[in-house]
Amino acid sequence: DAGITQSPRHKVTETGTPVTLRCHQTENHRYMYWYRQDPGHGLRLIHYSYGVKDTDKGEVSDGYSVSRSKTEDFLLTLESATSSQTSVYFCAISQAGRDNEQFFGPGTRLTVL
Amino acid sequence: SQQGEEDPQALSIQEGENATMNCSYKTSINNLQWYRQNSGRGLVHLILIRSNEREKHSGRLRVTLDTSKKSSSLLITASRAADTASYFCATASQGAQKLVFGQGTRLTINP
Repeated sequence: DAGITQSPRHKVTETGTPVTLRCHQTENHRYMYWYRQDPGHGLRLIHYSYGVKDTDKGEVSDGYSVSRSKTEDFLLTLESATSSQTSVYFCAISQAGRDNEQFFGPGTRLTVL
Repeated sequence: SQQGEEDPQALSIQEGENATMNCSYKTSINNLQWYRQNSGRGLVHLILIRSNEREKHSGRLRVTLDTSKKSSSLLITASRAADTASYFCATASQGAQKLVFGQGTRLTINP
């Protein structure tokens, strides 16, 4: 999986609790992305980062925040989890100037009860 | 909203047959990419075709792009059981460091 890890791989939590997912890369790629994957919706972009402390919103950013304090780490936080945020979350990375070919992590399955 | 729409949503064929999946998109693009996802895994990049290309090959994969129709197709020849997976198209627009994914085609290869 191209030097990308995600933690945790599985998490069950309750509505209203905060949740942080971590993406870690060893490739020194500039761009990092968080997607969610749901049946019937494919992959939808939540947030992405184009450098340390530089982030932007994606298609479905409401209810999510991100932070990138180091090149290798990109955190996704659900401030107050809701059942609609039950999903599989994927992190991806890409290099600058490489047609945006993306490399994906193994995913985190999050269940909000 | 999704940029790419894929057709069919599901495809089941016999091993050895060819599989064709189609992707349509709405806006102008810089390139179009195809990814594979095995069950429970992350996506893996298969092939990229740029907007000024019409056809590209990689092993048993052939991708075509018709920018006038805003559509692409992925052909997998001589399918194998290991090709069973979901396949996604993704489009990259000029100047945007983001991809927009289609909903995917679930391909099943029957032995």
